[in-house]
Amino acid sequence: DAGVIQSPRHEVTEMGQEVTLRCKPISGHDYLFWYRQTMMRGLELLIYFNNNVPIDDSGMPEDRFSAKMPNASFSTLKIQPSEPRDSAVYFCASRPGTVGYQPQHFGDGTRLSIL
Amino acid sequence: RKEVEQDPGPFNVPEGATVAFNCTYSNSASQSFFWYRQDCRKEPKLLMSVYSSGNEDGRFTAQLNRASQYISLLIRDSKLSDSATYLCVVPSPLSGNTGKLIFGQGTTLQVKP
Repeated sequence: DAGVIQSPRHEVTEMGQEVTLRCKPISGHDYLFWYRQTMMRGLELLIYFNNNVPIDDSGMPEDRFSAKMPNASFSTLKIQPSEPRDSAVYFCASRPGTVGYQPQHFGDGTRLSIL
Repeated sequence: RKEVEQDPGPFNVPEGATVAFNCTYSNSASQSFFWYRQDCRKEPKLLMSVYSSGNEDGRFTAQLNRASQYISLLIRDSKLSDSATYLCVVPSPLSGNTGKLIFGQGTTLQVKP
């Protein structure tokens, strides 16, 4: 079975540019999560969706960040305008909506470098 | 107190050694826990789930002490391939069953030949 698929794997761009990260969750998973990981702050939850609806976006750093999930098989995380401090690895994860606490399955991540 | 706290290490051990990591959590209402493994420049991957007092899978044993609010991960007969960062993960008790997880900073293990 295909896991969580993220694109691009690497992105290098200049500050001020718009960056769009993409994620395809595992088929049938009702929850989708966006994380950011840096050496200093570790793994931080940015936002998560349940059945395509944003549930908690309290981790989104500021208005420059936005996320959408137009359907059950696709989500985007957009940064506009980008800044050097946004450089990090961005992970997407998904999990089933079954009862009980279920682990999350991560994609390979997008390594973002803002120059 | 942080919601999830781990000793960052690094733990440097020889092959064949037994090593244990501890993780403390702040909210006594947390019901289940996970250990994830993250290799350098890779995504976190689920290693073990801990739903009751503990769980064992081959060389790996996870134990839960609810009274003291800590979880441990024991690795026996360490292999070079065990070198990685181990993340202690606790569901956010405020989120019910929504699946929001709190990740510890991770403990780095380096197994030497």
